[in-house]
Amino acid sequence: QEQLVQSGPEVKNPGASVKVSCKASGYSFTKYYIHWVRQAPGQGLEWMGIINPRGGSPNFAQKFQDRVTVTRDTSTGTVHMDMRSLTFEDTAIYYCARSHGDLDGFDIWGQGTVLTVSS
Amino acid sequence: QSVLTQPPSASGTPGQTVTISCSGRSSNIGSYYVKWYQHVPGTAPKLLTYRNNPRPSGVPDRFSESKSGTSASLAISGLQSEDEADYYCAVWDDRLNGWVFGGGTKLTVL
Repeated sequence: QEQLVQSGPEVKNPGASVKVSCKASGYSFTKYYIHWVRQAPGQGLEWMGIINPRGGSPNFAQKFQDRVTVTRDTSTGTVHMDMRSLTFEDTAIYYCARSHGDLDGFDIWGQGTVLTVSS
Repeated sequence: QSVLTQPPSASGTPGQTVTISCSGRSSNIGSYYVKWYQHVPGTAPKLLTYRNNPRPSGVPDRFSESKSGTSASLAISGLQSEDEADYYCAVWDDRLNGWVFGGGTKLTVL
């Protein structure tokens, strides 16, 4: 079964960092791009960025470029997203999703990781 | 404010056809295929549309899309209670060098 399984919920203080992981299974990890999408409470979906598991630089939306680092581990089929300097506005559900090409639809999504930033 | 404009809400009765619009510009909808997603809160979004790709598995042919210029639409025919969800359009944007989502449309089946 092709799926993406994400790491569990996180609670962080403002200013802290968080790592969210996304593990692919049931398909060839390097054949699909991985996107990160988030949804803040009461808000819509927001695309954050994309990484090519075959390599190359990730492409993240400008608002995240200074705070987000994405790495991939081809041995485990896992993509990790590190986000620094968290603020209350980062409270959201974070999803990873795959696409075959960088302009293709996101056909499989992870279950989502709830991040709560609270003091 | 989203780059893509969707109506915040839509509604219909069972069996009706409902259309959801998505308005953009030349750098996004005018140049690329729009994708539509169904999102039931608490679950993962689901890819609905198939233009330039095979229809996603499990998506009934009651869902269809169209595009004209810098606008796109999702039509849902034979509306069913299980179609009640939030619907999002998404497309690549050359100016932003990234994907953009519409603000979402909440569909209510009366």
